[in-house]
Amino acid sequence: NAGVTQTPKFQVLKTGQSMTLQCAQDMNHEYMSWYRQDPGMGLRLIHYSVGAGITDQGEVPNGYNVSRSTTEDFPLRLLSAAPSQTSVYFCASSYHRREDTEAFFGQGTRLTVV
Amino acid sequence: AQSVTQLDSQVPVFEEAPVELRCNYSSSVSVYLFWYVQYPNQGLQLLLKYLSGSTLVKSINGFEAEFNKSQTSFHLRKPSVHISDTAEYFCAANSGGSNYKLTFGKGTLLTVNP
Repeated sequence: NAGVTQTPKFQVLKTGQSMTLQCAQDMNHEYMSWYRQDPGMGLRLIHYSVGAGITDQGEVPNGYNVSRSTTEDFPLRLLSAAPSQTSVYFCASSYHRREDTEAFFGQGTRLTVV
Repeated sequence: AQSVTQLDSQVPVFEEAPVELRCNYSSSVSVYLFWYVQYPNQGLQLLLKYLSGSTLVKSINGFEAEFNKSQTSFHLRKPSVHISDTAEYFCAANSGGSNYKLTFGKGTLLTVNP
C-alpha cells in the first residue's frame, strides 16, 4: 500500500541551484497538489492539478513549476532555489469527483536552501 | 476567499484531562470541514470531517467535532487525552466548486504531559 510517495525525504541546496521534488500516487486519483509548511503558517497551496495535462496556481506559486504528464506523477520544480524556499513540502492526492473526499498526504520533503 | 482560523497555536494539557481545539471558518456558501492530525516527522492524516447531516462527527480514537453554522465554528474535543495524542492538529475547509482546494488553518500543537 504505497499511497503517496515523495522523494527525497531531505535535501540541502545552494542558493541558485535547481531541483525537482518527486511525487507519485498509486490510487488513480485525479487531483494532486503541492503544499509548503512553515512554522506558524500552516499549509499553503503552491500548485495543483485536476488531471493529466491540467495544472493551476495556488496561493504561493512564485519560484515553482509543475507539470502533470501522467495521472500518477506530479513533480515540483524549483527553478532557482532561494533561502525563502526552505520549508517542508507535502504532496497530496484525492479523487476529484466530490469535494468531500479525503486528501492523502505524502511523508514530506524537508528542503534547506543555504 | 475562504479562511480558517485556529485560535490557539499551542495547547498543553495533562494526561486524562479534556481538551478543546478551536477552529473558525469564514464562508458565504456551504462548506466542508476537516480536521487533520500530524504526528512528529510525518505527513497529515484525516481525523474527521463534516459534510452534511448530523452536526456532531466522531473519529475512531475518541475525538469529536461539532459543526456550528451560526458561530461558523468546528471545534475539536476529546474528553480524556493520552500521551499518544501529542501532535499538531490542522483544521481545513473546502467551499466546493469546480476545484478541490483545501484551505488550512495555521495549526494547533497539542502537547499532552504525564
